[in-house]
Amino acid sequence: DSGVTQTPKHLITATGQRVTLRCSPRSGDLSVYWYQQSLDQGLQFLIQYYNGEERAKGNILERFSAQQFPDLHSELNLSSLELGDSALYFCASSVIRGDPEAFFGQGTRLTVV
Amino acid sequence: TQLLEQSPQFLSIQEGENLTVYCNSSSVFSSLQWYRQEPGEGPVLLVTVVTGGEVKKLKRLTFQFGDARKDSSLHITAAQPGDTGLYLCAGRGGSNYKLTFGKGTLLTVNP
Repeated sequence: DSGVTQTPKHLITATGQRVTLRCSPRSGDLSVYWYQQSLDQGLQFLIQYYNGEERAKGNILERFSAQQFPDLHSELNLSSLELGDSALYFCASSVIRGDPEAFFGQGTRLTVV
Repeated sequence: TQLLEQSPQFLSIQEGENLTVYCNSSSVFSSLQWYRQEPGEGPVLLVTVVTGGEVKKLKRLTFQFGDARKDSSLHITAAQPGDTGLYLCAGRGGSNYKLTFGKGTLLTVNP
């Protein structure tokens, strides 16, 4: 158990819909990362938050957005879903100093039908 | 954009064999990490290498960071079925602590 909790574990939804994925980081970790994993693209960095503020942005589509709340949990919002958005979405958390280990949650498997 | 290429993409070997997987980039990374991911789970950190030329050993696993900090290798001695999984390298560069992942090497060790 990494200490990072993601919900839900599985999600099936239709094209055009909107979903919210939730992540609770490890206790004490201020930094949260979101990644998308698909068979052809591997683990793609989407976005990073640190203590409530956006810190870095990767290959995140405009239809996707995220935020980190004062209690440090984070949500990833995916809207106008397309079939190609079907993937595993991982949240990871870490401390911010030194060479931190990123602790990953078990992921949310999103299937868009 | 910093890219990490891993090779081979797939590797299927017999128990007891040795293997090496590679992680290469044209970019310099301040550090490089190796993760292992099992089906249905998130990646789990195996090791972090920071210094060019650094070698770290973790039981039967040997990790090396290239002198120029652009590449790394993972060598497994006497592989066991429990080593089966997706091995991912991830480089960290810049000040935002973002990890860039390679696509991984999917290792299958057959009994």
